[in-house]
Amino acid sequence: KNEVEQSPQNLTAQEGEFITINCSYSVGISALHWLQQHPGGGIVSLFMLSSGKKKHGRLIATINIQEKHSSLHITASHPRDSAVYICAVNPTGNQFYFGTGTSLTVIP
Amino acid sequence: DAGVIQSPRHEVTEMGQEVTLRCKPISGHDYLFWYRQTMMRGLELLIYFNNNVPIDDSGMPEDRFSAKMPNASFSTLKIQPSEPRDSAVYFCASSRLAGGPGEQYFGPGTRLTVT
Repeated sequence: KNEVEQSPQNLTAQEGEFITINCSYSVGISALHWLQQHPGGGIVSLFMLSSGKKKHGRLIATINIQEKHSSLHITASHPRDSAVYICAVNPTGNQFYFGTGTSLTVIP
Repeated sequence: DAGVIQSPRHEVTEMGQEVTLRCKPISGHDYLFWYRQTMMRGLELLIYFNNNVPIDDSGMPEDRFSAKMPNASFSTLKIQPSEPRDSAVYFCASSRLAGGPGEQYFGPGTRLTVT
């Protein structure tokens, strides 16, 4: 049983396209996180959300607590956005559940 | 700050051998986390420490795995004996807060291959 499901697993887009990655979860949470893992393997945090919407540059993250769903949007995608995007949820307490990631390739 | 430092970056060993992975957290961070990443299971939290004390080791797969944090600037993850199914990338992360991975700083990872 996966507490966190991401879709799609793989995504290829043309440069400039608007991209959406989805994350659904099955447990009550105190926060949801979006992480980016570069082809070299390094992991960086993009967003931490507990409600509503956050924006950072071309990245937008939204969460609907009632529907247990979050989306990560990338506007005007660029080849340097190519990476694996990982959704993780933080139920109360200190357990974390991770999605298996969405592999994004942006073609010039 | 140099960020979270892990060593070695790559490790290849034979089944049955002991493997020790090392991590130096960011100075001033109170929490240290060990994760494992595989293609099949994605990222998994193995164990985490607060002020050098192990808080939750429920993610440690079995007794072959052990982790220590003898001081605030150093932690080890040991596998003895190693098995091929332990092949994965092992990440160390540190943070000031106990919050989720969005508040943590990840090291570059150690890619372990057990043959």
